[in-house]
Amino acid sequence: QKEVEQDPGPLSVPEGAIVSLNCTYSNSAFQYFMWYRQYSRKGPELLMYTYSSGNKEDGRFTAQVDKSSKYISLFIRDSQPSDSATYLCAYSSASKIIFGSGTRLSIRP
Amino acid sequence: NAGVTQTPKFQVLKTGQSMTLQCAQDMNHEYMSWYRQDPGMGLRLIHYSVGAGITDQGEVPNGYNVSRSTTEDFPLRLLSAAPSQTSVYFCASSGQGSTDTQYFGPGTRLTVL
Repeated sequence: QKEVEQDPGPLSVPEGAIVSLNCTYSNSAFQYFMWYRQYSRKGPELLMYTYSSGNKEDGRFTAQVDKSSKYISLFIRDSQPSDSATYLCAYSSASKIIFGSGTRLSIRP
Repeated sequence: NAGVTQTPKFQVLKTGQSMTLQCAQDMNHEYMSWYRQDPGMGLRLIHYSVGAGITDQGEVPNGYNVSRSTTEDFPLRLLSAAPSQTSVYFCASSGQGSTDTQYFGPGTRLTVL
């Protein structure tokens, strides 16, 4: 079983829609949960970071963590064409960080 | 600050050739790491370093060597390139290890023929 499972997509939605991206993990030692965004032919950049169960908001983005179910989500409200990118979930413990395979998202104008 | 820089941006090698991918950061970060990214596989850790003079293996270290003689630089050496090493390679750095924000370079696209 992979330590992190992420639906690769691609996911295509119209501009203004609410987007939901999801990941599951198997290792209970993971304490920190992150979402990275990667534009085409660029390196990933950190979008959201959290270490507790519950919701964390940052503008149009909300990260949701459910440690009991080992499940994290990223919600994007009022999606824009500029949100078109690959989104990678990531989990870390003190010794390592594991990335999901990424979900490719396309926002249609 | 330039952040994390990588050279070259593109490289084509023949099977059996060796080469070094360069990575440098100007943020005085102790933790640096190398990843490869393949379609459907996500980012996989090759090697990492928690400070100058200290390196360790990640998930997929075979065929690669690293060294860390300074805080700023963390080169990745391919000893004898194989077609299976065709990939995009990213270098990253962070201030406090795997639990901290990873700052990625722009990547090196490597093709091994």
